[in-house]
Amino acid sequence: NAGVTQTPKFRILKIGQSMTLQCAQDMNHNYMYWYRQDPGMGLKLIYYSVGAGITDKGEVPNGYNVSRSTTEDFPLRLELAAPSQTSVYFCASSYDGGASVLTFGAGSRLTVL
Amino acid sequence: AQTVTQSQPEMSVQEAETVTLSCTYDTSENNYYLFWYKQPPSRQMILVIRQEAYKQQNATENRFSVNFQKAAKSFSLKISDSQLGDTAMYFCALRLYGQNFVFGPGTRLSVLP
Repeated sequence: NAGVTQTPKFRILKIGQSMTLQCAQDMNHNYMYWYRQDPGMGLKLIYYSVGAGITDKGEVPNGYNVSRSTTEDFPLRLELAAPSQTSVYFCASSYDGGASVLTFGAGSRLTVL
Repeated sequence: AQTVTQSQPEMSVQEAETVTLSCTYDTSENNYYLFWYKQPPSRQMILVIRQEAYKQQNATENRFSVNFQKAAKSFSLKISDSQLGDTAMYFCALRLYGQNFVFGPGTRLSVLP
């Protein structure tokens, strides 16, 4: 049981490049999330999904896109990378919208130069 | 909108001593859940403890316990017999039923030998 798996762990992008952060969970969780964490700061929600085929914006969605074609996978797409997107990105999942805990991936450190 | 406040950006404690981290939150709802997450230098987010708002009894997990004061909207974390491995960022989080998690800004705890 791998939990939440994120790839890559580290990536350096040039300004204007695009990339996809992959996230997969094997716990049959319905809810999935993408957060970003800037140095010394807390977590900000980028996008979330309550089930396959359903996605919604969080508090900082600009410059990102997501899709949820299966229950297991929730990739995050960065279009036209900017230095402001330098951050650590966390994917997380939970079984439902109630008391179930949030299980996090190990994080992906992205640097945009 | 719900908010979570952690008023102590940094704290330190001697090994084997007890430390309490503060968290206050604001919501007008009655059905919610509270969490403490730990983020060690490895940056992996780990659940420490969870509390359902409808339960009056304070949650405990080994050396970790909470003081949940619903009327005061306070949810502090007590770490007993502090260990070097407790050194981490600690995030308090609130979740209303059916809604997203709201995280506080975090408290950086250093356990000193």
